Amino acid sequence: NAGVTQTPKFRILKIGQSMTLQCAQDMNHNYMYWYRQDPGMGLKLIYYSVGAGITDKGEVPNGYNVSRSTTEDFPLRLELAAPSQTSVYFCASRTSTDTQYFGPGTRLTVL
Amino acid sequence: GNSVTQMEGPVTLSEEAFLTINCTYTATGYPSLFWYVQYPGEGLQLLLKATKADDKGSNKGFEATYRKETTSFHLEKGSVQVSDSAVYFCALSNPTGGFKTIFGAGTRLFVKA
Repeated sequence: NAGVTQTPKFRILKIGQSMTLQCAQDMNHNYMYWYRQDPGMGLKLIYYSVGAGITDKGEVPNGYNVSRSTTEDFPLRLELAAPSQTSVYFCASRTSTDTQYFGPGTRLTVL
Repeated sequence: GNSVTQMEGPVTLSEEAFLTINCTYTATGYPSLFWYVQYPGEGLQLLLKATKADDKGSNKGFEATYRKETTSFHLEKGSVQVSDSAVYFCALSNPTGGFKTIFGAGTRLFVKA
């Protein structure tokens, strides 16, 4: 049981490049989330999904897109990367009793 | 709406000292309350939770009691260790708030040997 996995662990992008952050969970959870955590700060919700085929915006969705074609996978797409997107990105899934399980994070730097 | 407020850090303690990290919340109805811990370089992980008033969550020597009358869920530990150095997040999940969990800003704890 791997829990929530994220790839890559680290990435450096140039301004204007695009990339996809991968997230997968093997716990059959319906709810999945993407957060960003800026240095010394709390979590901000980017997007979330309540099941395959259903996604919705969080508080900071601009510059990002998501898809949820299967229960297991919830990739986050960055289009036209900007320095303001430098952050650590966490994917999480949630049980029916509201406990969230987090992945190890992707540290992204945009230069 | 739903919100969580926790004490600002950093909190610096000597080993074996008593720890309290304050957390208060605003919510309608009957939310579930959580403490998550984030060790350096890692994702958050659940430390403890409580789902109804007067419940006490506990784990690894940490405790927190769900106090509806004071809308609080303060985290306590009787004797901290260097290995407890981390960032602690108070969080709330409320059926009236949809499917999102509301996190506090986090409190960084440093424990000195």
